[in-house]
Amino acid sequence: TQLLEQSPQFLSIQEGENLTVYCNSSSVFSSLQWYRQEPGEGPVLLVTVVTGGEVKKLKRLTFQFGDARKDSSLHITAAQPGDTGLYLCAGGRGGGADGLTFGKGTHLIIQP
Amino acid sequence: DAGVIQSPRHEVTEMGQEVTLRCKPISGHNSLFWYRQTMMRGLELLIYFNNNVPIDDSGMPEDRFSAKMPNASFSTLKIQPSEPRDSAVYFCASSLVPTLNIQYFGAGTRLSVL
Repeated sequence: TQLLEQSPQFLSIQEGENLTVYCNSSSVFSSLQWYRQEPGEGPVLLVTVVTGGEVKKLKRLTFQFGDARKDSSLHITAAQPGDTGLYLCAGGRGGGADGLTFGKGTHLIIQP
Repeated sequence: DAGVIQSPRHEVTEMGQEVTLRCKPISGHNSLFWYRQTMMRGLELLIYFNNNVPIDDSGMPEDRFSAKMPNASFSTLKIQPSEPRDSAVYFCASSLVPTLNIQYFGAGTRLSVL
């Protein structure tokens, strides 16, 4: 059973466009994280959200945690080729000691 | 800081052989996680340790898989005997608890079982 559903699975857009990817679950998480993974490397943490309704911004990236702490979105403004990669959302339940539940990810390609 | 170090980076073996993957967590971290990534199933948690003690191994697929953490600076994941369906990228991650569940991942070991 896939507890975290990410959509879309694949996305290819032109440089300069905006995009949103989604992470949805029927379960409540104490925290939700977004990672970015490049080929041949491990996932790298972008942001952690813990409060329902929380919005965090990281330059051109905006992350939002749903009010019920079951879903999240990542919005990228004016996408650049350097944004290309696999974006993973991950839910945590414990206080930091538990393993994460990952979605399958969104493969993002930004074409110049 | 050197980050999480995994070895080998690539492993090719034949079905039935024993495979041992190694991980050195970030110095000072007290939690260690083993994940497996495939196209079909994504990134799945296999097992994790807190203070060198295995806490949850419910993600370990079969008895062929075992993991140890003899000390705070070293962990192994062993597959014996290996099968072609074990082919995947295996990641190790470490964190410092109590924090906000921030895990730092190694570069992974790409395992191919022929």
